[in-house]
Amino acid sequence: ETGVTQSPTHLIKTRGQQVTLRCSSQSGHNTVSWYQQALGQGPQFIFQYYREEENGRGNFPPRFSGLQFPNYSSELNVNALELDDSALYLCASSSVSNEQFFGPGTRLTVL
Amino acid sequence: GESVGLHLPTLSVQEGDNSIINCAYSNSASDYFIWYKQESGKGPQFIIDIRSNMDKRQGQRVTVLLNKTVKHLSLQIAATQPGDSAVYFCAENKEDSSYKLIFGSGTRLLVRP
Repeated sequence: ETGVTQSPTHLIKTRGQQVTLRCSSQSGHNTVSWYQQALGQGPQFIFQYYREEENGRGNFPPRFSGLQFPNYSSELNVNALELDDSALYLCASSSVSNEQFFGPGTRLTVL
Repeated sequence: GESVGLHLPTLSVQEGDNSIINCAYSNSASDYFIWYKQESGKGPQFIIDIRSNMDKRQGQRVTVLLNKTVKHLSLQIAATQPGDSAVYFCAENKEDSSYKLIFGSGTRLLVRP
C-alpha cells in the first residue's frame, strides 16, 4: 500500500456529462500527478499540481482540469465526457524526490 | 518526439528462471528511468529506478541496466516467482520542474509453475 487513496473506485457516466475524481496524497507529499490509462496501454500524463498550482500538463484538452487543496489532496474534473475518456485514472503523489507513489485508480466508463 | 517502448508485449517464464524485460527510449535528454509493476486492479508499484549517470543498479532480486549508447533499459528478475506475474512498465522522467513520467505500453510477465 502506498498511502495514496482515490475515490470513487468505479464510475459510470454518459456522454456529455461531467465527472470529478478525487485523490488523497501520501502524508508529507506536496505534489500530485494525474494519469490516464486506457485498457492495455501505459499511463499517459495529464497534469501535475505542486502546492496548489498546475506544474506541467500533458497533451489533454482544456476540458480536463484539476485542483489541489491546502492539504495537498487533489481533484480531476472532466467536462463534456466522450466515449474515449473511458479509462483508469491514476493519481500519484511525490515529494522532493522523483519517486511517485500511485493510488489504485478510478475506473471510469463512459456510455 | 519522446517515446518509451518495449520490445515484447508478453513474456512467459518458468518459475525459478530469470526474467529479462527490455525497453527502448528515444530521448537522449532523459535522465531518470523507473520500472513499475502493475497487478490487475491496482496502480503501478515502484520497483527500481536508475539515473543516467549510472549503468547498473541492483535491488532485491531485481537489477536494472541502462545502456545510454543504444538508449536501452532492461529489468532483470532473478528466480522468478508466481507473485511476479504482472504487467511491467518502464518510464522515463526528465528532471525538469514537472517530473512528468512517460510510460511505455508494458510487458506482461507470465510465470509458469
